[in-house]
Amino acid sequence: GAGVSQSPSNKVTEKGKDVELRCDPISGHTALYWYRQSLGQGLEFLIYFQGNSAPDKSGLPSDRFSAERTGGSVSTLTIQRTQQEDSAVYLCASSLAIRAGELFFGEGSRLTVL
Amino acid sequence: AQTVTQSQPEMSVQEAETVTLSCTYDTSENNYYLFWYKQPPSRQMILVIRQEAYKQQNATENRFSVNFQKAAKSFSLKISDSQLGDTAMYFCAFMSPRDGANSKLTFGKGITLSVRP
Repeated sequence: GAGVSQSPSNKVTEKGKDVELRCDPISGHTALYWYRQSLGQGLEFLIYFQGNSAPDKSGLPSDRFSAERTGGSVSTLTIQRTQQEDSAVYLCASSLAIRAGELFFGEGSRLTVL
Repeated sequence: AQTVTQSQPEMSVQEAETVTLSCTYDTSENNYYLFWYKQPPSRQMILVIRQEAYKQQNATENRFSVNFQKAAKSFSLKISDSQLGDTAMYFCAFMSPRDGANSKLTFGKGITLSVRP
């Protein structure tokens, strides 16, 4: 498809389990972002990938969170030993370097931790 | 660190009328970008309008325009001739490039706009 694709769209898991969320950015977009959106909150920055540069991981809330981007394309956000406070919508976005700040968002992955 | 503040959690406007959404930000940078993003009930966010800080002229995109006051660090969005499809959450965002390249966007908490028929 032409847009940013995220999977799964919904994930229910039990506390303590690991989860993986996947993002397929728009082809040719060199930048990829992960944000977390909790109810009543804005978008919380998690991590940013730009080409071959070292990712900006400054937003990852704990060492239970990690992300990788393989081949400059698909990205996976992994949450280990999930906690109830991890419940949120995880949004992925991609962009072209020449269009500063013009992010194209996916529909998000809604994570519920029971 | 940059912060973005949207102090109004909700607003309502009659269809065809004009509404202004407020946003303030705090930064010590001189070169930056400001944005308004829209998130309809379907959840997918889209860019509405973008302003470069070095440009004095306010950005305009059809019915959407901004009032950028750099000294006051204010960046409001005006929606003219409101339409039912404008009903959404609106997020103000800030980005300061790093070493000439893009970086993360900092978002405000958003405002829920309802357009009444």
